[in-house]
Amino acid sequence: AQKVTQAQTEISVVEKEDVTLDCVYETRDTTYYLFWYKQPPSGELVFLIRRNSFDEQNEISGRYSWNFQKSTSSFNFTITASQVVDSAVYFCALANTDKLIFGTGTRLQVFP
Amino acid sequence: DAGVIQSPRHEVTEMGQEVTLRCKPISGHNSLFWYRQTMMRGLELLIYFNNNVPIDDSGMPEDRFSAKMPNASFSTLKIQPSEPRDSAVYFCASSYGPTDIEAFFGQGTRLTVV
Repeated sequence: AQKVTQAQTEISVVEKEDVTLDCVYETRDTTYYLFWYKQPPSGELVFLIRRNSFDEQNEISGRYSWNFQKSTSSFNFTITASQVVDSAVYFCALANTDKLIFGTGTRLQVFP
Repeated sequence: DAGVIQSPRHEVTEMGQEVTLRCKPISGHNSLFWYRQTMMRGLELLIYFNNNVPIDDSGMPEDRFSAKMPNASFSTLKIQPSEPRDSAVYFCASSYGPTDIEAFFGQGTRLTVV
């Protein structure tokens, strides 16, 4: 069975703080994909990143960075120097060859 | 491309009425997904299609829900009869295919059943 766990329901930080959103996944597949999506207050789902199971290289995109560790089945997301505009619900997701399963999401509130 | 297009954006209906949600996937995408988002259950996969064929409908809550994809550019999700507990945001997403799952989501349809 596939499962994505985002244990942090809600996180509040003050602007400019760094924040890490945790994601732990379960799968028996050797080939799979991991994703992060952002859902701002306006409601749409915005794709942030995709990683395949054979690529454990960490990735940095501006203030965003992702840490993929197969040994701990984790795919954590860090926002450096958070901004108010980062306030949103962030979803981690797992896909094998045919479907995309989401975690329950982490609501991030960044206060000025 | 305009992205995944869903209609209507908002729907308010009375209990017992039939509701049809529509989705136009991104041109060239072969897989289409329907998700439901609620506060209690988060984002749930209801059904997905590959090349217009339903592959997995195990997430469809009950027989009141049905989905079709008559062609590569159109899909519907129908609820008949609707109930207040069906109130949710329904998202449609599409991707190039099962092994290229970068799903692009529509803006969702907010359904309220009163």
